[in-house]
Amino acid sequence: DAGVIQSPRHEVTEMGQEVTLRCKPISGHNSLFWYRQTMMRGLELLIYFNNNVPIDDSGMPEDRFSAKMPNASFSTLKIQPSEPRDSAVYFCASSRQYGGNTIYFGEGSWLTVV
Amino acid sequence: QKEVEQNSGPLSVPEGAIASLNCTYSDRVSQSFFWYRQYSGKSPELIMSIYSNGDKEDGRFTAQLNKASQYVSLLIRDSQPSDSATYLCAVNIKGNFNKFYFGSGTKLNVKP
Repeated sequence: DAGVIQSPRHEVTEMGQEVTLRCKPISGHNSLFWYRQTMMRGLELLIYFNNNVPIDDSGMPEDRFSAKMPNASFSTLKIQPSEPRDSAVYFCASSRQYGGNTIYFGEGSWLTVV
Repeated sequence: QKEVEQNSGPLSVPEGAIASLNCTYSDRVSQSFFWYRQYSGKSPELIMSIYSNGDKEDGRFTAQLNKASQYVSLLIRDSQPSDSATYLCAVNIKGNFNKFYFGSGTKLNVKP
């Protein structure tokens, strides 16, 4: 089975530009997570969805960040406008719904905002 | 206070030794516990999961869970240089929805 698929793998953009990160979860998984990882703050949960519905977005840093999940096989994380402090690795992960199930990570999107 | 706490390390052990990684958590309703390994520049990958008090062994890895004391540990026997990575502890909060909290990770260096 294919794992969690993320795109782009790497992106370098200028401050103020819009950034869109994409994720395809593992088929049959109905929980989807967006994490951000930096050296300073570690792995932070930004938002997670259950059955395409956002359940908890308390980790989204500010209004510049938004996430959508229009269907079970696709999600986006958008940053508009981007800032240098948004530079990080953004991981998408998925799991089955009920507690106790493992989450599986995509390979990450490495974002650099200059 | 963070939900999951880990010593950032680095923890250095010689090849062949036992590496002991520890994690404490604050939420008493945490249900499931996981150890992930993350190599530099890669995504976290699952090593072990544990749900009940006691030990769970898988090859050179043993996970230990003590819910009363709210800690979970990972022992790596016969450590190899290829085990050098950051190890992330994760807990899953009990409830109808999945919510996973990760520690900041412990960096392990295994010296040949």
